[in-house]
Order: sequence, then C-alpha cells, then structure tokens
Amino acid sequence: DVKVTQSSRYLVKRTGEKVFLECVQDMDHENMFWYRQDPGLGLRLIYFSYDVKMKEKGDIPEGYSVSREKKERFSLILESASTNQTSMYLCASSLWDRGNPYEQYFGPGTRLTVT
Amino acid sequence: GENVEQHPSTLSVQEGDSAVIKCTYSDSASNYFPWYKQELGKRPQLIIDIRSNVGEKKDQRIAVTLNKTAKHFSLHITETQPEDSAVYFCAAPGGTSYGKLTFGQGTILTVHP
Repeated sequence: DVKVTQSSRYLVKRTGEKVFLECVQDMDHENMFWYRQDPGLGLRLIYFSYDVKMKEKGDIPEGYSVSREKKERFSLILESASTNQTSMYLCASSLWDRGNPYEQYFGPGTRLTVT
Repeated sequence: GENVEQHPSTLSVQEGDSAVIKCTYSDSASNYFPWYKQELGKRPQLIIDIRSNVGEKKDQRIAVTLNKTAKHFSLHITETQPEDSAVYFCAAPGGTSYGKLTFGQGTILTVHP
C-alpha cells in the first residue's frame, strides 16, 4: 500500500518567512509532484521531479522552489511567503514508464495560511 | 501544454439518479485519462482511468467514455448514492513523457438522499 506523507497538516506563517513543506513516499516512485489546490481552480502543478536532483517547472512555479536530494523525499520551498500563497498544498508520487503515465498517489495535504 | 476543461462545476442529483461529468482536452498526444475523487477533508484518489486504445471502461457503477476525435471524455455514475458526494477531477497528460498530468477545475457532486 503506497504511503505519501506530508510534514504538516496545518501551518501558519508570517509574510516574508521562508517556508519548507516536506513530502515523503515509501514506494520507490520515480516521479514526485507538488500541487496547489484552490476552490474552482482544481489542482495546479507547481513543480515536479522525475529523478533525484532533477526538476521541472509546472504551471505556476513563481515564488516557489523545490529540492529532491533523495528519491523518497521532495521538498517545496516558499522563499518569501506572501498572503497570496495561502492555500492547500498537495504532494503526489507515481511510477513512470517512458510514454506511459501512471496513477498518482496523493499525500493528505498541508493547509498553509500566510498572515 | 495541455489544457483541460471540466463541466459542470457543480452537480446536484437525487439518490438513484445518474450523474455525468464531461472534460475536454487540447493536446491530441494525450493517451491516458484518469478520474480522481476527493471526499471532504480527504486526499484525491484514483477511481477509474482509461488509455487511448479503448473507447469505454466500466467498474461497477462508474464508467468512463473517450472520444479521441472530438477530444473529450466523460465520467458516468449510475444509481448514485450519498457516499458518491465528493469533488471529482479529470486529468490528461498532454504530450509529456514524464507522467505529468493537467487537471480539470473539478466538479462538486452532491447526492441528495
């Protein structure tokens, strides 16, 4: 059974703070993803990683960076948190076979509030 | 990149009725079309998916149909039950080879007892 965990369920930070969101998966998946979920906007991809130290920008990368030093761990970093980054953040992981997307397994989410 | 449009944004049905949610996609290279269900306060979970070599797939009360010519796919839920109430998301990968998905905006389905 795939398990994807996130470091915090709820987080409150102040404007300008540096924020780290951590995600860990235990199924040796190559791919890991960070999404932002806002009502009416669906799941928007911030960044994804297809291998250790490899990353690609998603649809809304501005204001975010990521780090993947180990295969099982993918971190999302808000360099200087702003109020418009208040949102639900979801991490996911999946297998990858060239040309064939597979099911994404999601973490429980982190509700981030920036005040 | 891929663009996925999902309709309707909200859907309200009586228990026992059918529900249909539709999605269109833009990238003709897309070859995989999953549907995720997110119950209130829970994480999204895959409920059914279809690859482009088939036109329809069923799993008990849910089915997905795909029309590659028109670039749209639909989720059909029959004999709806209150526990089907949730947010449903469709997705498509576009031409990427890395397993990235673009999600639709989501449909809030409410099944009234």
